[in-house]
Amino acid sequence: GESVGLHLPTLSVQEGDNSIINCAYSNSASDYFIWYKQESGKGPQFIIDIRSNMDKRQGQRVTVLLNKTVKHLSLQIAATQPGDSAVYFCAEKRSGNQFYFGTGTSLTVIP
Amino acid sequence: DAGVTQSPTHLIKTRGQHVTLRCSPISGHKSVSWYQQVLGQGPQFIFQYYEKEERGRGNFPDRFSARQFPNYSSELNVNALLLGDSALYLCASSSGQGIWNTEAFFGQGTRLTVV
Repeated sequence: GESVGLHLPTLSVQEGDNSIINCAYSNSASDYFIWYKQESGKGPQFIIDIRSNMDKRQGQRVTVLLNKTVKHLSLQIAATQPGDSAVYFCAEKRSGNQFYFGTGTSLTVIP
Repeated sequence: DAGVTQSPTHLIKTRGQHVTLRCSPISGHKSVSWYQQVLGQGPQFIFQYYEKEERGRGNFPDRFSARQFPNYSSELNVNALLLGDSALYLCASSSGQGIWNTEAFFGQGTRLTVV
């Protein structure tokens, strides 16, 4: 079946370094993707989104890259801070406003 | 401005019981979706409602049902609870049905424990 998945379940980085979190998707018809951050005990929080007609989008300290050829998304976090420690999910929008999430990557920032 | 609000925040139920979870979307948002998040996994889509009509249903049994009210708030009902229904139930609201690509804003969730 079709799925959204993440390559790495855990990632540890030093404070100040850049982080890269990857995500693979298999539904070629998906046209919108979101990265969410989820801290313990909280609901997912929107970080950045990208439409399928784009290959890159930048926000504040974050960049999302979309490679439709290989159905791959990545989230880059610049100058990672301790407050960035959380689980990160990519979500793929299918019909209507239904989002399908991967398993998540747990990011730990080492001070 | 209030975000998405869910109630209750925590709930403990016994197997076989019924539960009702509630969600109030962001003011002006007409679309509400429900997700189940089992510990250690990503949220799984259950239902989407837009303008009080069901617009999508995930792969969940008929024990799960939902509805949306004229004020766009929503309820998720689960009958005949099983231990495996223990999870964080998330509600998300968005402004559009999908005509536009719009982000979904999540509430803090209701932590349901079935014993």
